[in-house]
Amino acid sequence: DGGITQSPKYLFRKEGQNVTLSCEQNLNHDAMYWYRQDPGQGLRLIYYSQIVNDFQKGDIAEGYSVSREKKESFPLTVTSAQKNPTAFYLCASSNWNSGNTIYFGEGSWLTVV
Amino acid sequence: QKEVEQNSGPLSVPEGAIASLNCTYSDRGSQSFFWYRQYSGKSPELIMFIYSNGDKEDGRFTAQLNKASQYVSLLIRDSQPSDSATYLCAVAYSGAGSYQLTFGKGTKLSVIP
Repeated sequence: DGGITQSPKYLFRKEGQNVTLSCEQNLNHDAMYWYRQDPGQGLRLIYYSQIVNDFQKGDIAEGYSVSREKKESFPLTVTSAQKNPTAFYLCASSNWNSGNTIYFGEGSWLTVV
Repeated sequence: QKEVEQNSGPLSVPEGAIASLNCTYSDRGSQSFFWYRQYSGKSPELIMFIYSNGDKEDGRFTAQLNKASQYVSLLIRDSQPSDSATYLCAVAYSGAGSYQLTFGKGTKLSVIP
């Protein structure tokens, strides 16, 4: 089935540790996105990538890093510089051919312990 | 800063009634508008998108857009308890080769049996 797969679904991070969230899509979408959602809040854009080997910072990029080496993959690293990383992380993708509608993966819950 | 505003609710309606969800946005240049439904602990799922002024109907859902007033709404007819969720309004911004959605914080809808 076509879709966006995020892993792991639940992740615990110790203070000072970097963690990487995986996002893979088989929709052949050009654009991919990472959003963060805090309880009772809307989605805030962390990073986005329109094409392979290119990405741009969103509204809250500090403490995060990404790479886009393959069209289908857009991993997000939450670094130790991110002081409040506990949140729900959502990966998404879109394509001009699908009216630029953004579709989401199932999300990853990150908790700092 | 491009902004999308929604009443956070909760909005409570009896089963079978019409639920009306509203959203305003700040950028007059916005072209595409989306409504997502998000159940607690889950990722957002697309309900509808609308590009042109006026109404767009899909089953029990009707999206309404008024670009002059910078206002978009979602009507849910014959509301069901399964419609209880948070509804996110999203506005697309494009330019300089980039495309991204800005989300409101969402309106929590509760349909009372």
